[in-house]
Amino acid sequence: DTEVTQTPKHLVMGMTNKKSLKCEQHMGHRAMYWYKQKAKKPPELMFVYSYEKLSINESVPSRFSPECPNSSLLNLHLHALQPEDSALYLCASSLGGEDTQYFGPGTRLTVL
Amino acid sequence: DAKTTQPTSMDCAEGRAANLPCNHSTISGNEYVYWYRQIHSQGPQYIIHGLKNNETNEMASLIITEDRKSSTLILPHATLRDTAVYYCIVRVANTGTASKLTFGTGTRLQVTL
Repeated sequence: DTEVTQTPKHLVMGMTNKKSLKCEQHMGHRAMYWYKQKAKKPPELMFVYSYEKLSINESVPSRFSPECPNSSLLNLHLHALQPEDSALYLCASSLGGEDTQYFGPGTRLTVL
Repeated sequence: DAKTTQPTSMDCAEGRAANLPCNHSTISGNEYVYWYRQIHSQGPQYIIHGLKNNETNEMASLIITEDRKSSTLILPHATLRDTAVYYCIVRVANTGTASKLTFGTGTRLQVTL
């Protein structure tokens, strides 16, 4: 089983809202990732957690705040987003940091 | 990570083999070649990866040239459901740390009747 789940599937929020994206895997993977994909562009890495610690932050603005409460869960807290942050947000996980990454279906975010 | 070059788009008739090329002429000895695909608005799906030997699984075959400067992903009997963007990614391994996938622009494969 290589399933990564993400909720919600779709999210519409205003620029003053606070929302969270959730990602979950039960494969015993110890590395988890957030990628962002703008329309007609390839995915780009935002954050990497390894053994529940943030190991890579690709200079993402502070209005995006990741959290890894345990080895199965990864959250992305959103606050004061801009319309240009509208995108598909993808979560991935891998057994270790160097292993194959498996992606979830993504959350389609629209910021009004 | 080494840069990859792929054709922007390709067409393939259903039932025929789809051969997707990738050039990675600056690949290093410790870099793997990974292939993912992304069907419209879905998350990328892992297909296959290899270091220097050819690899085959239930989805596809990966042929890597002897000098490792290029590779070909082969879908032996393409179906309409294989229509997707296919990404060839070169990724460093054996660093002991978590690493990212750097996606290029990929090849848009259109399978037709």
